[in-house]
Amino acid sequence: NAGVTQTPKFRVLKTGQSMTLLCAQDMNHEYMYWYRQDPGMGLRLIHYSVGEGTTAKGEVPDGYNVSRLKKQNFLLGLESAAPSQTSVYFCASRNLAGGDYNEQFFGPGTRLTVL
Amino acid sequence: DAKTTQPNSMESNEEEPVHLPCNHSTISGTDYIHWYRQLPSQGPEYVIHGLTSNVNNRMASLAIAEDRKSSTLILHRATLRDAAVYYCILRRGSNYKLTFGKGTLLTVNP
Repeated sequence: NAGVTQTPKFRVLKTGQSMTLLCAQDMNHEYMYWYRQDPGMGLRLIHYSVGEGTTAKGEVPDGYNVSRLKKQNFLLGLESAAPSQTSVYFCASRNLAGGDYNEQFFGPGTRLTVL
Repeated sequence: DAKTTQPNSMESNEEEPVHLPCNHSTISGTDYIHWYRQLPSQGPEYVIHGLTSNVNNRMASLAIAEDRKSSTLILHRATLRDAAVYYCILRRGSNYKLTFGKGTLLTVNP
């Protein structure tokens, strides 16, 4: 299993450009998450999804949109990139079952720079 | 969500035990204590979690105070590969989201 993969690994954008980050998981997980991590900070939740076709806002959703058209994929879109969105973006997934078990599996991250 | 407090940084020597503390004085009865770590230039990875009792797994041990207001992650023999930022996170039982703080940066000296 590849686990959680993210595409691309690196990207440089100019202010105002748009792009989509792709997250894919092959573990048949129900929950998927998008986080951002700024230098010296912990991760902050942008958006999440509790199943195919559903999405919800996290802690810092402004400037981002998401879609979960297929269970294995979770897309994060930036419609008009701003320098404040320069960050490392992590995707994670988690299984629905398991009671109190709540392990999230993280991807390797996408480093985005907005000039 | 209840807040956790961790030291910004700690140092250890290779092959020695490491005790990483976490205070969570406002923890509620349904809050699980999770530990994740983030190796340099990687995404976080799960380490261990518990509710009331001490827990052991292949990576670490989790010691939870009797009043649950603090916990300690124990790495029994630190290796250079254990150098990472360690996050102590509280998760309410019904909540499927994790809130990350700044964590503790662990440096392991050869």
